[in-house]
Amino acid sequence: QVQLVQSGAEVKKPGSSVKVSCKVSGDSFSSHGVNWVRQAPGQGLEWMGGIIPIFRTTQLAQKFQDRVTVSTDESTSTAYIELRSLRSDDTAMYYCASVPFRQRADPGPYFFDYWGQGTLVTVSS
Amino acid sequence: EIVMTQSPATLSVSPGERATLSCRASQRVGTNLAWYQQKPGQAPRLLIYGSSIRATGIPPRFSGSGSGTEFTLTISSLQSEDFAVYFCQQYKNWPPITFGQGTRLAIK
Repeated sequence: QVQLVQSGAEVKKPGSSVKVSCKVSGDSFSSHGVNWVRQAPGQGLEWMGGIIPIFRTTQLAQKFQDRVTVSTDESTSTAYIELRSLRSDDTAMYYCASVPFRQRADPGPYFFDYWGQGTLVTVSS
Repeated sequence: EIVMTQSPATLSVSPGERATLSCRASQRVGTNLAWYQQKPGQAPRLLIYGSSIRATGIPPRFSGSGSGTEFTLTISSLQSEDFAVYFCQQYKNWPPITFGQGTRLAIK
């Protein structure tokens, strides 16, 4: 059984950065494609970016290309997303999600089968 | 960017009845369409992919249909645990991957 376990809630000041982690277990991390989706309070889902498993490269939504870095540490089976220059409208629940096995030979885009529990990031002065 | 539009925003249905949720894409996405269920305080859960293929462990009362730009999620006989928010997602073109704004399924 695949599990994605995320780091705990964060409270940040505007202009600062946050780095959220997602540890994957129960599957081969090296072939995984962890993607990141956020959800502002009471709002819908917004894809931010993630890993393309077959190429082990990243793909980001254009609106985040200047502020977001997605990375992985294969030695610990952990994926990370870092968001810089935080603003109040970055306050949201941040989810990691995995690319299903059947899609991992594809160059994308993807749907997602397993999700982390979410990490609440609050940006407030 | 492909815009996904879900309707209605809120659907009120009685337990045991059928619920039909709609999702429209601004461009053709073939059958590259997934549905998710989200309950309060929980992460989304994959229900359907490929427009009509149930994910592992999803009961047969959930069914999806459609192709191109018009898609439907049908829940044949609503159980108490089915009252939640439902999102559609296209995975035909990126970036970005895009989701609908959600339909809240409420108890009537």
